[in-house]
Amino acid sequence: AQTVTQSQPEMSVQEAETVTLSCTYDTSESDYYLFWYKQPPSRQMILVIRQEAYKQQNATENRFSVNFQKAAKSFSLKISDSQLGDAAMYFCAWGMTGTASKLTFGTGTRLQVTL
Amino acid sequence: EAGVAQSPRYKIIEKRQSVAFWCNPISGHATLYWYQQILGQGPKLLIQFQNNGVVDDSQLPKDRFSAERLKGVDSTLKIQPAKLEDSAVYLCASSPNGDAGTEAFFGQGTRLTVV
Repeated sequence: AQTVTQSQPEMSVQEAETVTLSCTYDTSESDYYLFWYKQPPSRQMILVIRQEAYKQQNATENRFSVNFQKAAKSFSLKISDSQLGDAAMYFCAWGMTGTASKLTFGTGTRLQVTL
Repeated sequence: EAGVAQSPRYKIIEKRQSVAFWCNPISGHATLYWYQQILGQGPKLLIQFQNNGVVDDSQLPKDRFSAERLKGVDSTLKIQPAKLEDSAVYLCASSPNGDAGTEAFFGQGTRLTVV
């Protein structure tokens, strides 16, 4: 069974600074996707960034980027130029390639952004 | 484009009572998911539909939980009878075809409290 581990229950960053959220996972599959989702107090999960396991190049989306280390099974999220609106729960998730794929989520990291 | 709609937003019931949640996915999305998110944890998949057929219900407690997706559009998740440990947020999500690489869009969830 796949597992996703987020070892940082809470993180804090000052506005305009950079923060890195950690995620490790365990799988025997070779073809899969990794995701970071943001969950604000409204509870609606919002996709932040997605990485395909067969791609060596790290994904980037504006201020968000990942450091994907396949051999180490590590998938960290870097948020640059942090904004107050970035404050939320962040969940790392894993999904196997295919049409019958479900997402396996970690336990989340609560990010606080301070002035 | 309208997002995933869920109702109600909140529900409080006594243990042993029954409750039902409703989800209307994004128009045209073939795949619909129900996730259970217990406080302090990441979402856990309960059931996945592809059109009106069940793809995965391996983690659905079938002695008390049931779900249906008539006509392959909206869906209802029912709990009967409810237990205290069913207190959670129930998230509905949809995606165009269920492929892991395709973004899943989430609703705002229903927060259930069982007393």
